[in-house]
Amino acid sequence: DTGVSQDPRHKITKRGQNVTFRCDPISEHNRLYWYRQTLGQGPEFLTYFQNEAQLEKSRLLSDRFSAERPKGSFSTLEIQRTEQGDSAMYLCASSLVTSEQYFGPGTRLTVT
Amino acid sequence: QKEVEQNSGPLSVPEGAIASLNCTYSDRGSQSFFWYRQYSGKSPELIMFIYSNGDKEDGRFTAQLNKASQYVSLLIRDSQPSDSATYLCAVTEYGNKLVFGAGTILRVKS
Repeated sequence: DTGVSQDPRHKITKRGQNVTFRCDPISEHNRLYWYRQTLGQGPEFLTYFQNEAQLEKSRLLSDRFSAERPKGSFSTLEIQRTEQGDSAMYLCASSLVTSEQYFGPGTRLTVT
Repeated sequence: QKEVEQNSGPLSVPEGAIASLNCTYSDRGSQSFFWYRQYSGKSPELIMFIYSNGDKEDGRFTAQLNKASQYVSLLIRDSQPSDSATYLCAVTEYGNKLVFGAGTILRVKS
């Protein structure tokens, strides 16, 4: 069991640029979640997939954000036209259906 | 709006003491309850989870649920300096998205 992995671990970008993050879940897990965490707060739900289907999106997920899980394995989260308010830790978690979620190491995004 | 409330702390306890962490949740439909530990700059690590049917003990950790009061607690016995971290409480209704509290900072002093 190699755990959830995320890439990159850190990303610094200029305002207005697009960024893409990748998450590889635990191999047998069919659910994959994206959360965002800012300093001093708990993670906030963004979206989740069961296999390749995106089942729920948060209102936090503006139209600049898009997530995919094309083959039901890894997932990508893209942010277009980044803003300084997008600076946060982006966390990916995976689980079996209705079971506990395990988090990856996160991608720390800094928008300058 | 579903909410999970935690005292931000810091909660300071001496080494070897019992640390008691609490959270309250607003959604009566919540079915599953989780405690995550998060070290500074790291991602959350699952340490305990319980379902609506009872309490759970695992080593030095005990998670307790009071559904009537919508209250979840985590007890850490024999606290160690390595337990110093932020503890996040999270709940879920149907086993999908987690709703987190802002976390309680625990400091264990040697």
